[in-house]
Amino acid sequence: DTAVSQTPKYLVTQMGNDKSIKCEQNLGHDTMYWYKQDSKKFLKIMFSYNNKELIINETVPNRFSPKSPDKAHLNLHINSLELGDSAVYFCASSQESTNYGYTFGSGTRLTVV
Amino acid sequence: AQSVTQLGSHVSVSEGALVLLRCNYSSSVPPYLFWYVQYPNQGLQLLLKYTSAATLVKGINGFEAEFKKSETSFHLTKPSAHMSDAAEYFCAVRNTNAGKSTFGDGTTLTVKP
Repeated sequence: DTAVSQTPKYLVTQMGNDKSIKCEQNLGHDTMYWYKQDSKKFLKIMFSYNNKELIINETVPNRFSPKSPDKAHLNLHINSLELGDSAVYFCASSQESTNYGYTFGSGTRLTVV
Repeated sequence: AQSVTQLGSHVSVSEGALVLLRCNYSSSVPPYLFWYVQYPNQGLQLLLKYTSAATLVKGINGFEAEFKKSETSFHLTKPSAHMSDAAEYFCAVRNTNAGKSTFGDGTTLTVKP
């Protein structure tokens, strides 16, 4: 019954590897987001999709590429991982124009070694 | 443009005491405002939101917040702290045309027995 689910919950990988994080929401929301939370707990938006269309693409390295196969899914692929990519990545969803509050996933803790 | 400032990165209260977490916002248009709570190793959970209806907003777990336009504030309060309230709290602002919420840096609430 999880509203926004992310997999995996933990990801430990070596520098230079490519990895993906998956996100799915079963709330029927039309908008999904990726946020990055650093070690100081600062939250910064990375991407946002509305009905599969990219609407926000913040200043993020090109190594990060989101993909939304349908409005219930938003995946994040990261190429050539670097030490500085270590963080917790949160997926969130919302229903635009009626309820701007986010429902967050439980996060993916990425550790690059 | 939109931004939010949370005054006090750490707040410590005794169990049973008043909780007051401060948030000031900046927005070029009437904003939507939110408070989220994050427990250790979990995602963020929406506590309450202001969307231009009543200025005093009640949320879950006994929290409430008051929107004060003249002070550009949206402070979070709870009359009596419980040990279970210990967590990280985030204030967020959203302009209707922004496509995203911008989060404050967070306030860590500690509750002492």
